[in-house]
Amino acid sequence: AQSVTQLDSQVPVFEEAPVELRCNYSSSVSVYLFWYVQYPNQGLQLLLKYLSGSTLVKGINGFEAEFNKSQTSFHLRKPSVHISDTAEYFCAALDYNQGGKLIFGQGTELSVKP
Amino acid sequence: GAVVSQHPSWVICKSGTSVKIECRSLDFQATTMFWYRQFPKQSLMLMATSNEGSKATYEQGVEKDKFLINHASLTLSTLTVTSAHPEDSSFYICSAREGASEQFFGPGTRLTVL
Repeated sequence: AQSVTQLDSQVPVFEEAPVELRCNYSSSVSVYLFWYVQYPNQGLQLLLKYLSGSTLVKGINGFEAEFNKSQTSFHLRKPSVHISDTAEYFCAALDYNQGGKLIFGQGTELSVKP
Repeated sequence: GAVVSQHPSWVICKSGTSVKIECRSLDFQATTMFWYRQFPKQSLMLMATSNEGSKATYEQGVEKDKFLINHASLTLSTLTVTSAHPEDSSFYICSAREGASEQFFGPGTRLTVL
């Protein structure tokens, strides 16, 4: 079964600094990967997704992620963060072997400080 | 993107009472809906998957008699927490998808059981 691991539970960073949130998935024949952002007391908003094609995926709010099959990773990056990026970020993988369920990582709390 | 709504956004109830949470897809037909539970500072835990007109499929460890799920139409699913107790207090999030497409998440419902 598919599993997703987010290596950092908390990432503090200063405003305008670059950030990388790490995500690894268990290998699978085919994999669809997602990054979601959750602001306090809200649902999940899709940042970006990888289904196929180019391994570099650009999303909303200036975020991008790179699919690396050899390292089974899908790390999320932003070159310059803002205070408003402070939120919880979830990496997820779609597992069609489990009926199309989204398998979530544990989440990474990004805290942007002035 | 498609919109999923939840009602109510928050609810406080007494122990022993039942609470119903609605999840609606506003501009698409949700052939499949998912219900998640999220504890503070934790990831989303899938509770059940429901397909329109069928009985819900519950994840291991989720009591189907306690968490009643109804997916009577292509735009509405309900989760009823029966005989709620303080340990049922949590953030409940639904998501919906049409066919095999992307899942869209609702804004969540905060349940507090006194």
